[in-house]
Amino acid sequence: GAVVSQHPSWVICKSGTSVKIECRSLDFQATTMFWYRQFPKQSLMLMATSNEGSKATYEQGVEKDKFLINHASLTLSTLTVTSAHPEDSSFYICSARDGLARATGELFFGEGSRLTVL
Amino acid sequence: QQQVKQSPQSLIVQKGGISIINCAYENTAFDYFPWYQQFPGKGPALLIAIRPDVSEKKEGRFTISFNKSAKQFSLHIMDSQPGDSATYFCAASSGYAQGAQKLVFGQGTRLTINP
Repeated sequence: GAVVSQHPSWVICKSGTSVKIECRSLDFQATTMFWYRQFPKQSLMLMATSNEGSKATYEQGVEKDKFLINHASLTLSTLTVTSAHPEDSSFYICSARDGLARATGELFFGEGSRLTVL
Repeated sequence: QQQVKQSPQSLIVQKGGISIINCAYENTAFDYFPWYQQFPGKGPALLIAIRPDVSEKKEGRFTISFNKSAKQFSLHIMDSQPGDSATYFCAASSGYAQGAQKLVFGQGTRLTINP
């Protein structure tokens, strides 16, 4: 199946710093990518929908100025957690849909990025 | 309307047994129902998915049963193996034909298969 790569897989940062997480589709073009957050032993919560070449659409309650999303190319979306605080510590997961395979319906998920804010 | 309710929260099954996880939804616009398997520290991986035009789909040991009138669907894992021990999430989305894939996830079921 198609591969979605996230980097870094884990990151530790100090409170107040910013952290960038990358999500790449390795063998397909992803016109749409989704960013999820998952707290320990909980479900995945959709944060935002990232569309190539346009602004991201954020879910209710997600601060767009804190979680900056950029989808500058068909294979790369980035999530920047600005001025991170300990409560932002979580597992961030991206998913992508093959823009040319509309009928398959499958979303491909990355391996996730574990963020720990000290 | 957007919720997907999943049960049980945790499940222990003996090796070789049948694992059954259930999900219910309210939004009748949902038209795509996937199941994901997630191992600790990893992203979820698609296991099997169903559209509402069929009542059952089977792939190997995994079967989805779908009841449109009851707005329920379930995952059955036959001949459960220790390697199946993971967290399972049901999900749902609408707008399948348009390629929309904004998934709503269930709460997850932690499955443990005892040897």
